[in-house]
Amino acid sequence: DAGVIQSPRHEVTEMGQEVTLRCKPISGHNSLFWYRQTMMRGLELLIYFNNNVPIDDSGMPEDRFSAKMPNASFSTLKIQPSEPRDSAVYFCASSPPTGAPHNEQFFGPGTRLTVL
Amino acid sequence: GEDVEQSLFLSVREGDSSVINCTYTDSSSTYLYWYKQEPGAGLQLLTYIFSNMDMKQDQRLTVLLNKKDKHLSLRIADTQTGDSAIYFCAETPPLSGNNRLAFGKGNQVVVIP
Repeated sequence: DAGVIQSPRHEVTEMGQEVTLRCKPISGHNSLFWYRQTMMRGLELLIYFNNNVPIDDSGMPEDRFSAKMPNASFSTLKIQPSEPRDSAVYFCASSPPTGAPHNEQFFGPGTRLTVL
Repeated sequence: GEDVEQSLFLSVREGDSSVINCTYTDSSSTYLYWYKQEPGAGLQLLTYIFSNMDMKQDQRLTVLLNKKDKHLSLRIADTQTGDSAIYFCAETPPLSGNNRLAFGKGNQVVVIP
């Protein structure tokens, strides 16, 4: 399996522009998570989906952030308009259906976003 | 609630042992986890321990769990340069279901050759 796939790996944009980050979870996984990692705040959970349905978006910073999961194999995280403080590494992770004795999340390689 | 705390930085000489500590607040967590993040990569599950265990050994890794003090530690024996990474402890928040995890802020380990 290719693992969780994220694109782009790097994104540099100017303040005010729209940014779209993409994620393809591992086939068969039914939970998908978006995280943001910065030096100051560490790893933050932004939103997660179960069976394509958003379960908890309380970590989404503000209305400029939105996430969708139109089907089991694709999710997007959009920032519009972007601001310099959004600069971070954004990770997508997926996990298989509950039933395993322990939870394991499989992380993608991340998208490093720089907003100038 | 979910509040996982870790110290920030540790340097260790190659061949020595390293110990990373973590405290958590939710005593109802069934499993506790250690994830490893190598430079430029995502997190990867390293090991985990069931909450009714005090210790788990996996090759060079030893996990110790003190439920009374809500303290979790990871010991890496014979630390190697490939162990340089950020280590996160994590727990499953109560009633979260859906495989959600609460991560600590991470502890960066730098192995000096």
